[in-house]
Amino acid sequence: KAGVTQTPRYLIKTRGQQVTLSCSPISGHRSVSWYQQTPGQGLQFLFEYFSETQRNKGNFPGRFSGRQFSNSRSEMNVSTLELGDSALYLCASSFRTLYGYTFGSGTRLTVV
Amino acid sequence: AQSVTQPDIHITVSEGASLELRCNYSYGATPYLFWYVQSPGQGLQLLLKYFSGDTLVQGIKGFEAEFKRSQSSFNLRKPSVHWSDAAEYFCAADSDKLIFGTGTRLQVFP
Repeated sequence: KAGVTQTPRYLIKTRGQQVTLSCSPISGHRSVSWYQQTPGQGLQFLFEYFSETQRNKGNFPGRFSGRQFSNSRSEMNVSTLELGDSALYLCASSFRTLYGYTFGSGTRLTVV
Repeated sequence: AQSVTQPDIHITVSEGASLELRCNYSYGATPYLFWYVQSPGQGLQLLLKYFSGDTLVQGIKGFEAEFKRSQSSFNLRKPSVHWSDAAEYFCAADSDKLIFGTGTRLQVFP
């Protein structure tokens, strides 16, 4: 079956712009989580959605937001981009929480 | 605060040698535990997971991990490393959200 699909794979934006990243989970998976990966901070949890409801949120500023649609697809949005937002953004899906996650290949965001 | 610690940032082994990657967790109660592997520029692939029961867990690619409650550890092992195992390995724990360790980069020499 198809894995977790993240689009786009690469993105270059300028400071101050906003960006939307998309994640299509494995069919039947209702939980979607987002992570930011940087060389300095490692893998940090952004937020998790389950059945269109945000279940948990990490310690990121309000510029980072997300949502989940009725078909479990999820988007995350970052407004007013800063250079420090440059990172690999990973999406993961699971059948249910605490069950282990399948990760997508990520979106590499570069802010210039 | 909940945390996962991987004390080894970088490990180098010879092909065919055995491997052990260390992981310790700090949680009030035993969380669900995972090991993931990441190749350069790629997402994370789940190697194995521990929820409960048998403390020795078998995973994919010949990896296994042992859960030791008394030591709050969940170390990953492989009896004989292949060159293709070179990657970054992440230990993770989940009680209400998945928290990762800082990772161990494995280098394999022929």
